[in-house]
Amino acid sequence: AQSVTQLGSHVSVSEGALVLLRCNYSSSVPPYLFWYVQYPNQGLQLLLKYTTGATLVKGINGFEAEFKKSETSFHLTKPSAHMSDAAEYFCAVSAGFQKLVFGTGTRLLVSP
Amino acid sequence: NAGVTQTPKFQVLKTGQSMTLQCAQDMNHEYMSWYRQDPGMGLRLIHYSVGAGITDQGEVPNGYNVSRSTTEDFPLRLLSAAPSQTSVYFCASSYSARANSGYTFGSGTRLTVV
Repeated sequence: AQSVTQLGSHVSVSEGALVLLRCNYSSSVPPYLFWYVQYPNQGLQLLLKYTTGATLVKGINGFEAEFKKSETSFHLTKPSAHMSDAAEYFCAVSAGFQKLVFGTGTRLLVSP
Repeated sequence: NAGVTQTPKFQVLKTGQSMTLQCAQDMNHEYMSWYRQDPGMGLRLIHYSVGAGITDQGEVPNGYNVSRSTTEDFPLRLLSAAPSQTSVYFCASSYSARANSGYTFGSGTRLTVV
């Protein structure tokens, strides 16, 4: 079975600062990894995903994530935060035909 | 292209009442699922379907029923609502049961049981 741990339920950054949201996964088989973003009162939107191939994955809105098998991590980064990035971010893992398993989420707060 | 449509957006129920949360997608997706979102717990899978006529239980199925008579629709039924079912419910779909395809989510139904 797969599982995901997101470190930090809240992360605060200043506008223009680096965003780093941490995700560690557990999987007995090669995983598929996802980051989703949820804006207030909305559904989840896919930011990016890793399935196979290049370990550095670029997504929408300037976000990217790197799959590190040795560290079982898939951290999400953005070089420069914008006020519009304030949202809740979910890391998720799956493999094969298994269902998607979500982390508990990290709320990103961006201050001016 | 509407994507995944959920109705209603908000609902208040009394304990013991029943209701159906509607989910429809117009993308011809094989796979559909229902999640509930609770503070500090992320999203937990309630039921899912890999195609018309096929459903299965997820992590937290108790108190909920589903059916999939068409590719487009996947309603979630609460048989006898309980306060513990107060939550935000999301329907999601994917073109394949293989989870590497990523999911499209509806905008959610916020349910309060009093």
